[in-house]
Amino acid sequence: QQKVQQSPESLIVPEGAMTSLNCTFSDSASQYFAWYRQHSGKAPKALMSIFSNGEKEEGRFTIHLNKASLHFSLHIRDSQPSDSALYLCAVSRDNNRIFFGDGTQLVVKP
Amino acid sequence: GGIITQTPKFLIGQEGQKLTLKCQQNFNHDTMYWYRQDSGKGLRLIYYSITENDLQKGDLSEGYDASREKKSSFSLTVTSAQKNEMAVFLCASSIIPLPSSYEQYFGPGTRLTVL
Repeated sequence: QQKVQQSPESLIVPEGAMTSLNCTFSDSASQYFAWYRQHSGKAPKALMSIFSNGEKEEGRFTIHLNKASLHFSLHIRDSQPSDSALYLCAVSRDNNRIFFGDGTQLVVKP
Repeated sequence: GGIITQTPKFLIGQEGQKLTLKCQQNFNHDTMYWYRQDSGKGLRLIYYSITENDLQKGDLSEGYDASREKKSSFSLTVTSAQKNEMAVFLCASSIIPLPSSYEQYFGPGTRLTVL
């Protein structure tokens, strides 16, 4: 059974800071790695995903994946108050089931 | 684009009551899911279904039943509501994997309170 763990549990950063969120997983055959974002009272929504080792950048957001160390991360450059949300990492080896972490609660203070 | 609708939006029940939550999607997605989310926490999978009339148990299936009546709809039943239970139940769907995405799309949730 896949185990997915996130760190830290919560994080407070000032506006404009770089934010780094971490996720470790246990199944080395995993193929899909993603971050979902959930604003308070709203549904989770996929933010970014990656399938192969390395880095992927979309605007202020970057995913790093290192399959050998069973670790991936999300980095947010120039963090904004609107980035405040619960961030869930997600891992899957096939489309039928995604395993989610318990989340990192991010607060960006103006 | 498509949409997932969940009914009801808020559900208040009594201890021991049987409660049913409904989910509809118009993405024409094959796979549908039910998750439970306790306040500020992650998602725990209750049931999922990869096609009409299919059911697969998740990690939290005890105390719940599910039914995939047709491709577009997936229902969840709380068989006996527990006193002081409070959680949000999220329905999601996904398509057979495209080369670039296994993404799940979520509905807005049903917020359950048990008195």
